[in-house]
Amino acid sequence: NAGVTQTPKFRVLKTGQSMTLLCAQDMNHEYMYWYRQDPGMGLRLIHYSVGEGTTAKGEVPDGYNVSRLKKQNFLLGLESAAPSQTSVYFCASSYGGQGATYSPLHFGNGTRLTVT
Amino acid sequence: LAKTTQPISMDSYEGQEVNITCSHNNIATNDYITWYQQFPSQGPRFIIQGYKTKVTNEVASLFIPADRKSSTLSLPRVSLSDTAVYYCLGRGGGFKTIFGAGTRLFVKA
Repeated sequence: NAGVTQTPKFRVLKTGQSMTLLCAQDMNHEYMYWYRQDPGMGLRLIHYSVGEGTTAKGEVPDGYNVSRLKKQNFLLGLESAAPSQTSVYFCASSYGGQGATYSPLHFGNGTRLTVT
Repeated sequence: LAKTTQPISMDSYEGQEVNITCSHNNIATNDYITWYQQFPSQGPRFIIQGYKTKVTNEVASLFIPADRKSSTLSLPRVSLSDTAVYYCLGRGGGFKTIFGAGTRLFVKA
């Protein structure tokens, strides 16, 4: 049971390049989330999804797009990377049944992205 | 969504009990108080969650007074491996789970 797996673990981009971060979970969770974490700050929610085919904006959605074509996968895209998007990106998932809003988030180990 | 306030950092020694207090003056009626732990280069890990009074599990205890305006995470007999960042957050009002800056706990030998 792998839990939440993020790929890649590290990536360096040049300004203007695009890339997609992949998150996969094997816990059959309905809800999935993308966060970014910057030095000295907590995690900020970028986008989230409450089910296959649905996505919603979080606190800091600008410059990012997401897709949830399959229940187990949640993709985060950067169409034109900027240095301000240098960060560590975390994906999480949680249970979607009764009491879902109280269920713990399960996190991956992050993708460290540097944009030069 | 409840805004939480925690100390930025705390130091302790191995074997001591550590109490981290979180202030959440505007917590919603249906919010639970949830704590996460984060080690370097890892994602946060759920520790404990409660609504009121006291909750205990194999890792920690959580104390929430009747007015629910604050909560205290208690870690018994900490070890070096408990050095981490601890996040307090309110959850239950939707899916936008918001993390603050957390408390950096440093356990010394």
